[in-house]
Amino acid sequence: NAGVTQTPKFQVLKTGQSMTLQCAQDMNHEYMSWYRQDPGMGLRLIHYSVGAGITDQGEVPNGYNVSRSTTEDFPLRLLSAAPSQTSVYFCASSLSGTDTQYFGPGTRLTVL
Amino acid sequence: AQSVTQLDSQVPVFEEAPVELRCNYSSSVSVYLFWYVQYPNQGLQLLLKYLSGSTLVKGINGFEAEFNKSQTSFHLRKPSVHISDTAEYFCAVSLYGGYNKLIFGAGTRLAVHP
Repeated sequence: NAGVTQTPKFQVLKTGQSMTLQCAQDMNHEYMSWYRQDPGMGLRLIHYSVGAGITDQGEVPNGYNVSRSTTEDFPLRLLSAAPSQTSVYFCASSLSGTDTQYFGPGTRLTVL
Repeated sequence: AQSVTQLDSQVPVFEEAPVELRCNYSSSVSVYLFWYVQYPNQGLQLLLKYLSGSTLVKGINGFEAEFNKSQTSFHLRKPSVHISDTAEYFCAVSLYGGYNKLIFGAGTRLAVHP
């Protein structure tokens, strides 16, 4: 199993550009989440999904969109990037609500 | 609303010494508790978790944590650290019955010196 994979590893955007961060898992997990990590703030939940076709907002959803058309994939879309979205983004998945969350290696995004 | 406070942003310690990383949480309802470790330039890895039952939880790499409901704490301990334990450690909570939505503390950077 590859576990949780994220692409790209690094990305530089200009303000106003759009892009999609990809996340995939091959463990047949129902639960998937997106977090952002900023210095001194730990990780904060952006959006999460409890199964294909079901998504909901976390702590900091503004400026981000998600969809979940398959169990395996959970892409995160930035429609109009802003410098405040410069961060490291982590995708995670778990089998159930109390099960261990497995994290991907992260995507480091810089918005100029 | 739930919150997590990690009381130390950095903890320096010598190799083979014991260490305690402190975590307090705030919640009006029952929670699950977790400790994650992040090695440089990597994602997070679960060290241990408390869901219910025994308040002393043992995890990987010789770490353990104790849930104290009256003090709303979940401190992480290791009796003898190694250089390889140098990393950032995150305490997190999720609501009992919630959809695994983790609320993280700001992190504690453990630096083990020879």
